Amino acid sequence: EAQVTQNPRYLITVTGKKLTVTCSQNMNHEYMSWYRQDPGLGLRQIYYSMNVEVTDKGDVPEGYKVSRKEKRNFPLILESPSPNQTSLYFCASSLWGLAGGREETQYFGPGTRLLVL
Amino acid sequence: RKEVEQDPGPFNVPEGATVAFNCTYSNSASQSFFWYRQDCRKEPKLLMSVYSSGNEDGRFTAQLNRASQYISLLIRDSKLSDSATYLCVVNPYSSASKIIFGSGTRLSIRP
Repeated sequence: EAQVTQNPRYLITVTGKKLTVTCSQNMNHEYMSWYRQDPGLGLRQIYYSMNVEVTDKGDVPEGYKVSRKEKRNFPLILESPSPNQTSLYFCASSLWGLAGGREETQYFGPGTRLLVL
Repeated sequence: RKEVEQDPGPFNVPEGATVAFNCTYSNSASQSFFWYRQDCRKEPKLLMSVYSSGNEDGRFTAQLNRASQYISLLIRDSKLSDSATYLCVVNPYSSASKIIFGSGTRLSIRP
């Protein structure tokens, strides 16, 4: 089954304790992206990757890191989480990026709900 | 002004009714437009793309008005299962890397 998976689905942590949220897709997609969703703000892009070893900042990258060592995986790293990073996080992938056509369709993972105390 | 704006709702309509909502965008050069659907606490899923000529998929019709810079979604004969948040999505720069999500319009269908 074609899908995007994220782990963990739920996480409660404390300020400053490094954490990683994993994201994996089995559709051989080139493009992957991380978003956070907060009430009234919609989804905001954190980082994206056009291909292996190619990553770039989105709208709200502060406090986050990513890596893309393999095509299928795109982990999100919070080196020193803070309470303002409490949010719902989504990983998404699409075939070739967002430049046009059906390839723009993004497939989202189920989300990771993070609470930073 | 936000790049993509939606009325947050909620729109509360009876089953069988027709409901429509709009989404405005600020960048006149925007080329790609979509409607995504998001159920409570779930991931967004593509509902339909919005083409210049408008398009229809069953009970759903999407329209683009470039002159006034908005897209619309019309749902006919609404079902209880249509209750969800509808996200307007715009690619404002014909960018391969970035799209803008509206904050969503909540729709609730009552029996």
